[in-house]
Amino acid sequence: QVQLVESGGGVVQPGGSLRLSCAASGFTFSNYGIHWVRQSPGKGLEWVTFIPYDGSNKYYADSVKGRFTISRDISKNTLYLQMNSLRAEDTAIYYCVRDGGAWYWGQGTLVTVSS
Amino acid sequence: DIVMTQSPDSLAVSLGERATINCKSSQSVLYSSNNKNYLAWYQQKPGQPPKLLIYWASTRESGVPDRFSGSESGTDFTLTISSLQAEDVALYYCQQYYSIPYSFGQGTKLEIK
Repeated sequence: QVQLVESGGGVVQPGGSLRLSCAASGFTFSNYGIHWVRQSPGKGLEWVTFIPYDGSNKYYADSVKGRFTISRDISKNTLYLQMNSLRAEDTAIYYCVRDGGAWYWGQGTLVTVSS
Repeated sequence: DIVMTQSPDSLAVSLGERATINCKSSQSVLYSSNNKNYLAWYQQKPGQPPKLLIYWASTRESGVPDRFSGSESGTDFTLTISSLQAEDVALYYCQQYYSIPYSFGQGTKLEIK
């Protein structure tokens, strides 16, 4: 079955950087686009970024454009999110989500931006 | 950008009764080439990721009880739980995946009366 396992979360100071990973299994990784969606503590859901199945384009929410970069390694079935210039408002659980008519979600990894 | 607005923000329903959650999109999420509404419903319980209930506005995800159903009328969408069970207490979100930036409703908290 579809499995997405996020890792790399933690505590980072404002202005710092962090790289999240998402290990995918149970489907052909190169056939699907993948999203990152985040949820701030006690808040709603916010779509962050998307890379299509062919990696041709990358899309970002305005709130992270220029600071976050999505990438993937097909050989490792792994998706990445490089987060730079982190702000307190980036504090959230970050979910890796497989695209399609039905979206499939990982369990998430918590990122805390605090001094 | 498409704005998704849910109503109500919270809802209390008696066990065995019907629960109805509404979601309105600020513009159409209907893709004319396949006649599908790019609208999904999720259930989220504390400490868990969102769980997909409904996609294409009315297609129930595999394993989801048939008391959950989705319907649409233009830009208005409805999630109905026909007979509320205790395990249905949760937050519910609608989401459009028609156009980037994809967006979610603010959530509806469902409780037992």
